[in-house]
Amino acid sequence: DIQMTQSPSSLSASVGDRVTITCRASQSISSYLNWYQQKPGKAPKLLIYAASSLQSGVPSRFSGSGSGTDFTLTISSLQPEDFATYYCQQSYSTPGFGPGTKVDIK
Amino acid sequence: EVQLVESGGGLVQPGGSLRLSCAASGFTFSSYEMNWVRQAPGKGLEWVSYISSSGSTIYYADSVKGRFTISRDNAKNSLYLQMNSLRAEDTAVYYCARDSPPRYFDLWGRGTLVTVSS
Repeated sequence: DIQMTQSPSSLSASVGDRVTITCRASQSISSYLNWYQQKPGKAPKLLIYAASSLQSGVPSRFSGSGSGTDFTLTISSLQPEDFATYYCQQSYSTPGFGPGTKVDIK
Repeated sequence: EVQLVESGGGLVQPGGSLRLSCAASGFTFSSYEMNWVRQAPGKGLEWVSYISSSGSTIYYADSVKGRFTISRDNAKNSLYLQMNSLRAEDTAVYYCARDSPPRYFDLWGRGTLVTVSS
């Protein structure tokens, strides 16, 4: 099985900050990497698919990059509605999620 | 409206069974692969099972293999998860999720809570 890790596990940031979350796969997954946002009590929401493609309707402040084993989700200017938990997910083999990164208010 | 709506969750004793349903609307259900994903209280996301659009290909996570059965009825626009031999560690919110190739989940239901406890 492919193992996914994320760093940091949590971070505190202010509105307007640039935020970067890293996801690493235990083996190469090419660009088969997706990012989700989840708010408390809600279903996850797809943000980025295939490492860098922005899902329709998602603000352009969200971006993704990477390939192989190392990937990054960047929020260019954090907004109040962005405080949430973010998960990466590999779709190279049977799907697996990272443990999540909680972004909260500084 | 494009949506998925889960139902069938509840409280069940260890060793018991439960059948979850997911009703799809607003899109051509029969054209999409589908998945179940769960989330234990306060924990992360765990993929549970996948079914192809025709139902001919099915995969399970090791943690549920031999106990859970995924199925679908394209005529009824519905996805199912039959859960047998339930354990305390199966306690979670269960989401159905639409699969767009290559296996990203672009539409999620609101989830249904399954609690396994005596």
